[in-house]
Amino acid sequence: DGGITQSPKYLFRKEGQNVTLSCEQNLNHDAMYWYRQDPGQGLRLIYYSQIVNDFQKGDIAEGYSVSREKKESFPLTVTSAQKNPTAFYLCASSPRTVANTEAFFGQGTRLTVV
Amino acid sequence: AQRVTQPEKLLSVFKGAPVELKCNYSYSGSPELFWYVQYSRQRLQLLLRHISRESIKGFTADLNKGETSFHLKKPFAQEEDSAMYYCALNENSGGYQKVTFGTGTKLQVIP
Repeated sequence: DGGITQSPKYLFRKEGQNVTLSCEQNLNHDAMYWYRQDPGQGLRLIYYSQIVNDFQKGDIAEGYSVSREKKESFPLTVTSAQKNPTAFYLCASSPRTVANTEAFFGQGTRLTVV
Repeated sequence: AQRVTQPEKLLSVFKGAPVELKCNYSYSGSPELFWYVQYSRQRLQLLLRHISRESIKGFTADLNKGETSFHLKKPFAQEEDSAMYYCALNENSGGYQKVTFGTGTKLQVIP
């Protein structure tokens, strides 16, 4: 069953702690993305990656870090430097080299800082 | 820089009424535009793409390069159309693909 999987679905973190959100895909997609979804602000791009061992900052990368050691995996770390980390995080993937192809999304992780 | 603008945060229409969700874009290249939909408790998914010029669930969207618009339309709204709708733009440059989304419009269809 092909798709993109995010885990966990809900995550609680104490202030000052780092936390890592998992994103795995078995679609053989080259490109992967992390977005943050806040009410009234739509989806804002945090980081994106086109190939293994390469990634680019999106529009709101401060306080976040990523890695792309495997094609299938693109974990996002929310660091203590992120001022307002409570949000819904979405991971997506797409075939990089095919024009006019859509992104496929995971079900999201809701992070709450307590 | 690319930008996608959806001016309405909320659009409420009665069942059977026409629907138009607005989307304007700013992009120097040849645009690849999409509409995504997020139903309650479901993952974000593709609704339609401009290149296909298709009708999905009764929705259509025409790319107007002169007005830089890609509005989503449906002649008769149904209750099951109630959802969040996002307009999105693919940018392909220098081997990188980046997807930018608008802020979304919540469509509420009143029975």
